[in-house]
Amino acid sequence: EAQVTQNPRYLITVTGKKLTVTCSQNMNHEYMSWYRQDPGLGLRQIYYSMNVEVTDKGDVPEGYKVSRKEKRNFPLILESPSPNQTSLYFCASARGGGAYEQYFGPGTRLTVT
Amino acid sequence: AQKITQTQPGMFVQEKEAVTLDCTYDTSDQSYGLFWYKQPSSGEMIFLIYQGSYDEQNATEGRYSLNFQKARKSANLVISASQLGDSAMYFCAMTGINDYKLSFGAGTTVTVRA
Repeated sequence: EAQVTQNPRYLITVTGKKLTVTCSQNMNHEYMSWYRQDPGLGLRQIYYSMNVEVTDKGDVPEGYKVSRKEKRNFPLILESPSPNQTSLYFCASARGGGAYEQYFGPGTRLTVT
Repeated sequence: AQKITQTQPGMFVQEKEAVTLDCTYDTSDQSYGLFWYKQPSSGEMIFLIYQGSYDEQNATEGRYSLNFQKARKSANLVISASQLGDSAMYFCAMTGINDYKLSFGAGTTVTVRA
């Protein structure tokens, strides 16, 4: 089954404790992206990757890091989480940028206390 | 920079009726794409429909159609014959055709009444 998986689905952590949210896709997509969803703001793009070893900032990259060492994986790293990073996070992948529809993972609910 | 505006935070619609969700956008790109996604209460994001800025006809996908008015910079989603399962949040999004960024609106919550 074609899918995007994220782990963990739910995470409660404390301020400053480094964490990684994993994202993996099995569709051989070149493009992958991370979004955060907050009430009243819709989804905002954090980082995206056009291919292996090629990443770029979205609209809200501060406090986040990403890497794309393999085509299928695109982890999101929070080196020192803060409460304002409490949010619902989505990973997505697509065949390419532009007109291609994005396939979303199930989401990761992160709470930073 | 691209900006998407969805002015309707929430809407109620009677089952079997049609509903129109508004979306206006602002961009300096000549070529761009517009998407609509559905997010049910379970949380997943589901792709509904896509419209390219140079497509001559409005996009349709089953009960979903996109009323694209380029001069007015609007891309409204029309859901015909609403069903209870259409109750969800709906997001309008856009990207430049040669771009890798995707910008979303704030969303509209639709509640279908029996």
